Amino acid sequence: DAGVTQSPTHLIKTRGQHVTLRCSPISGHKSVSWYQQVLGQGPQFIFQYYEKEERGRGNFPDRFSARQFPNYSSELNVNALLLGDSALYLCASTRTGGHQPQHFGDGTRLSIL
Amino acid sequence: QQQVKQSPQSLIVQKGGIPIINCAYENTAFDYFPWYQQFPGKGPALLIAIRPDVSEKKEGRFTISFNKSAKQFSLHIMDSQPGDSATYFCAASDESAGGTSYGKLTFGQGTILTVHP
Repeated sequence: DAGVTQSPTHLIKTRGQHVTLRCSPISGHKSVSWYQQVLGQGPQFIFQYYEKEERGRGNFPDRFSARQFPNYSSELNVNALLLGDSALYLCASTRTGGHQPQHFGDGTRLSIL
Repeated sequence: QQQVKQSPQSLIVQKGGIPIINCAYENTAFDYFPWYQQFPGKGPALLIAIRPDVSEKKEGRFTISFNKSAKQFSLHIMDSQPGDSATYFCAASDESAGGTSYGKLTFGQGTILTVHP
């Protein structure tokens, strides 16, 4: 079975633009979480979605938003991009919500110029 | 209180050595402690996880030791190989947390392990 897939793999944007990142969970998994990993640091929790509803939210500004679709795939949207948003954005899926083992994709590398 | 502190930042061992990575936490509500391995250009991969009702767990060459009273846990890699060279992250979560912390994993800062042939 395919693992968590994320697209695109790399993205370059300029300050002030917006970006949409996409994630498809492992088949049969109904929950998706998003993390931001700045170079040299551990991932930071942004959101968890389960059954198309936001269930958890980390300490990120309202410029960050997400949604989950009926097929359980998800999008992360970031508006008004700042230089500090440059990071690897990781998506993780679990079979149900909560703290079941989270399986990560390889991420989207976002660079802000 | 939500932090997980990981040490050392980097670690170099010879092939066959036993690198040890340590993590400490403050939040006594944490009750699930996974370890992840990350290679350059890849996402974190779950290695092994432990819950506070056991003091040690082994899976292959990887062993987690857990000290609930000290609020510390560590990863040991037996007979380390050059292929084990990667960044290792400890993490923690509160499985009963609701609200905004639902599903949240709190990660340590990571340890870059290099195993020389």
